[in-house]
Amino acid sequence: DAGITQSPRYKITETGRQVTLMCHQTWSHSYMFWYRQDLGHGLRLIYYSAAADITDKGEVPDGYVVSRSKTENFPLTLESATRSQTSVYFCASSEWGQIYEQYFGPGTRLTVT
Amino acid sequence: SQELEQSPQSLIVQEGKNLTINCTSSKTLYGLYWYKQKYGEGLIFLMMLQKGGEEKSHEKITAKLDEKKQQSSLHITASQPSHAGIYLCGADVSRSGGGADGLTFGKGTHLIIQP
Repeated sequence: DAGITQSPRYKITETGRQVTLMCHQTWSHSYMFWYRQDLGHGLRLIYYSAAADITDKGEVPDGYVVSRSKTENFPLTLESATRSQTSVYFCASSEWGQIYEQYFGPGTRLTVT
Repeated sequence: SQELEQSPQSLIVQEGKNLTINCTSSKTLYGLYWYKQKYGEGLIFLMMLQKGGEEKSHEKITAKLDEKKQQSSLHITASQPSHAGIYLCGADVSRSGGGADGLTFGKGTHLIIQP
């Protein structure tokens, strides 16, 4: 399917477990982003990437790890999940030169028990 | 860090009525983006404003950026049920513009359209 996809769409995990959220885009966009959305906080940037093998921290990076070995994939890993990481996670992508429009995935709802 | 305040937090409007959502920044905006989110779904890009005094329209939605580039408004004319959702404003976090370093978002405005 064309576009930007996230998997899984829903995930329940236990405190302390490692969990990886996947993001895949078919446009070969250079830029990719991870945000989390929480009630009362809105959307906050976790990490972003300008190209394969180039990543940077956003506003709330603690407890998260990202990698980008291929342009189309940008996985987000919670190394040891905590309850405060219960959230809806959105991946987005945009192209250099047209980076004004960030295309968002459908989101992953993560619950940490 | 840049903060964006949206008002109102929620809005209930009768179908056919006009409405306005505001987004105010604590700092100069180098790029202001409006997105719409349907409940349980991702964000859909609406418009992007860069220049002071700029105004853009798409169908029944008009967005404006004030001359000082610290406040933006989103106006919907003759609202319809399809306009219901969460409206978010986002701003460039860097002077280079273009959103390459990610966006800072307001907390959103929940819009309900009553038939």
